[in-house]
Amino acid sequence: DVKVTQSSRYLVKRTGEKVFLECVQDMDHENMFWYRQDPGLGLRLIYFSYDVKMKEKGDIPEGYSVSREKKERFSLILESASTNQTSMYLCASSPPGQREQFFGPGTRLTVL
Amino acid sequence: SQQGEEDPQALSIQEGENATMNCSYKTSINNLQWYRQNSGRGLVHLILIRSNEREKHSGRLRVTLDTSKKSSSLLITASRAADTASYFCATANTDKLIFGTGTRLQVFP
Repeated sequence: DVKVTQSSRYLVKRTGEKVFLECVQDMDHENMFWYRQDPGLGLRLIYFSYDVKMKEKGDIPEGYSVSREKKERFSLILESASTNQTSMYLCASSPPGQREQFFGPGTRLTVL
Repeated sequence: SQQGEEDPQALSIQEGENATMNCSYKTSINNLQWYRQNSGRGLVHLILIRSNEREKHSGRLRVTLDTSKKSSSLLITASRAADTASYFCATANTDKLIFGTGTRLQVFP
């Protein structure tokens, strides 16, 4: 059974803290993605990666960075969390070639 | 950038009825995908239809694609209370997907 896991289901942080969200997939997929989901706005792509150590900006990369040191792991980093980064964060992976994406359960982050 | 827009935004039906959701998009695509999301959870892939296909079935799901109108529809037949969820279309012309804002479906027992 294919699986994408995310390190936390719920997370509460303070403004200015550095936040790490981890995502691990066991399907040997080349592609990995980070989205945020907000009411009325759907899913917006933050960053994606086509391969180890490779990253590309999505539609809303400001305030975020990513790291992909191993194929199975893709980390999203909030360098200095702000209240407008309170959101649901979803990680996904896929094989190459415009295929279906497999999603993790999501992390609901609250920044106070 | 938002590519797909679903219509309606919300839909309430009784068990046993059919549910139809529509998706419109703006640019050329390689394929269009539909996903389902239960409240507070991740998305689950339902079905993929390629740009050279017009209709596809999977169980109680039927998807149509009209590339000339840049639109797709998802039909769920004989709905069940367990179908209650949000449904998203997503378009692909690269390895990235562009998601719409979703349709919230409520199926009453």
